Amino acid sequence: DTGVSQDPRHKITKRGQNVTFRCDPISEHNRLYWYRQTLGQGPEFLTYFQNEAQLEKSRLLSDRFSAERPKGSFSTLEIQRTEQGDSAMYLCASSGDDTQYFGPGTRLTVL
Amino acid sequence: AQSVAQPEDQVNVAEGNPLTVKCTYSVSGNPYLFWYVQYPNRGLQFLLKYITGDNLVKGSYGFEAEFNKSQTSFHLKKPSALVSDSALYFCAVTYPNTDKLIFGTGTRLQVFP
Repeated sequence: DTGVSQDPRHKITKRGQNVTFRCDPISEHNRLYWYRQTLGQGPEFLTYFQNEAQLEKSRLLSDRFSAERPKGSFSTLEIQRTEQGDSAMYLCASSGDDTQYFGPGTRLTVL
Repeated sequence: AQSVAQPEDQVNVAEGNPLTVKCTYSVSGNPYLFWYVQYPNRGLQFLLKYITGDNLVKGSYGFEAEFNKSQTSFHLKKPSALVSDSALYFCAVTYPNTDKLIFGTGTRLQVFP
């Protein structure tokens, strides 16, 4: 399978803990995106990278959130001191042109 | 502000009948328009896009969409619905040099046998 992959698929954590998600894009894609989707809503943009450079961050991305793409390949999204409001599906997408292709997502539940 | 509206939370259609899922967008420059489909507990799957050129675009699984600049709409259509088309459909817009997708709230399509 050469699509976008995300790990883990599900994460349950307690409030206050840190969590980290990983995204592996389609191999030849230089752009990588993170979105968050809550129940009944469309995905909301969080941040995006072109190669290893983080080019845009949404105001949704508070100081507790950090994303990296150190070698321009896979990316990680870390949430520190999780809150119940962080419970959502975190989606990763990659693109090589004008079309973004999405991974299966990581569903985060904060208890 | 750039935005996308999907006015129907749910669309119900009988199998074999034509279907339409509506989408309108706010005007600012020349938008790129997309449709994605989401099955339960899955990520979004790309269906089709309008970038430029012919206003009628064809995509995966027999879906098509028509870009109407005067009405700022990009409705998704299929001539004959299948039960397997039942899913959540999202319209999205982006603009040159912004890259981020702005999504609508989604429309649940239910196709009855």
